[in-house]
Parts: sequence; structure tokens; C-alpha cells
Amino acid sequence: KNEVEQSPQNLTAQEGEFITINCSYSVGISALHWLQQHPGGGIVSLFMLSSGKKKHGRLIATINIQEKHSSLHITASHPRDSAVYICAVRVARQLTFGSGTQLTVLP
Amino acid sequence: GAVVSQHPSRVICKSGTSVKIECRSLDFQATTMFWYRQFPKQSLMLMATSNEGSKATYEQGVEKDKFLINHASLTLSTLTVTSAHPEDSSFYICSAEDRDSSSYEQYFGPGTRLTVT
Repeated sequence: KNEVEQSPQNLTAQEGEFITINCSYSVGISALHWLQQHPGGGIVSLFMLSSGKKKHGRLIATINIQEKHSSLHITASHPRDSAVYICAVRVARQLTFGSGTQLTVLP
Repeated sequence: GAVVSQHPSRVICKSGTSVKIECRSLDFQATTMFWYRQFPKQSLMLMATSNEGSKATYEQGVEKDKFLINHASLTLSTLTVTSAHPEDSSFYICSAEDRDSSSYEQYFGPGTRLTVT
């Protein structure tokens, strides 16, 4: 079993829809990252969480440390949100990555 | 915000040659940088942890003599793929840890796509 599990693996949505991507992990962590990877490959760090909730624009990330679970929400989704979203957990100072969620937002 | 650059962004080389990839932190100092490899449709896998002024720490299964890492300054780490083979073709990404961040924030480079022919 992978230490980091993401769901769904693929997600197609219509523009404007509310999107949720989930991440579960099985180890004790010091922080959790949500990353965005566009088709060209470059990675952008969206959030780093160790507790609670963070919001940036239309993106919201939450984490429940007791349940070892995090969610990334996108409100009012747009085609430019189409990308792979990756959850990564930090143990000590190393990151372990989930397999990613391919999001496609259709106009 | 913190910026990490990688050079080159793309490289094509012939089998048997060596390729050097640079990772630079542009506006912060990084005592620790990480090198990752990503094969198509797969997630990132940590290859090695690069520590300024000391030897890199390699993950299990990564050949240290094939993937040479040098972290000679607080803003630069290099990864040299020696005697490259087609199976080394991959997307290589570095991240740099801000040494002044109490939360050990990591910032990612844009990646280098290596194709070995």
C-alpha cells in the first residue's frame, strides 16, 4: 500500500463546477503539500499545511491530522485549472508524493 | 516569492555522453536541495538529497557513480548524469529548502527534460 493515496486519479468537470481532490496518508507527517503540475512539467507549490485550513483565491486546502486526510477544493473551476494536482507529505525533511490527480475542466 | 531555476530546460544527448543539470535558488540560500525524477504518467521519486559542502545522500536503488551531485554553494546544486543511456530519459526536478524558513519550505524548479538517443 502506498504511503500517500490520492483520489480520484482522473477528474473531468465543467467550467464553474466545485472540485474536490482527496489525499490520505498512512504515516506521521510534519506537513502536507499540494502541488500543481502543468503539461510542460513545471511544478508550482500551492499550499503547505500542518493543520486546519488555508485559502488562496479560488483554492482551499484542509487537513485533518487525526484522520490523516487532506482535501484540495477549487471553487468556480476554469479551464486554466486543468493540470495534475499532487499531494505530498513531509516526513522529517523529505517529501513522499501521491500519484496525482489529472484534472480537466471543460469550457 | 522564492524562485528556483533549472538549466537546461530540455536536453537531448547521445548514449554514452554525460549531461549536467543545474539547480539554483535565486533569492534565498539553500543548504539542502533535493533531486527528483519523474517518468511519464508517474509521480516524482526522490533520487538524492544534496547538502551544501558535504556528500549527497542517495535513495536506495540510485547509483551514486552514475548520478553525480555537487552542492558547492548555498545557491547551486548540480546533477551530472554520466554515461547516459536511453533508460535515463526522464524529467528531472530539483527543489530547494529555504534555510531561513522555520517550516523548511521547499520550492521547486521548473524541471529538465532529458532525452537520451
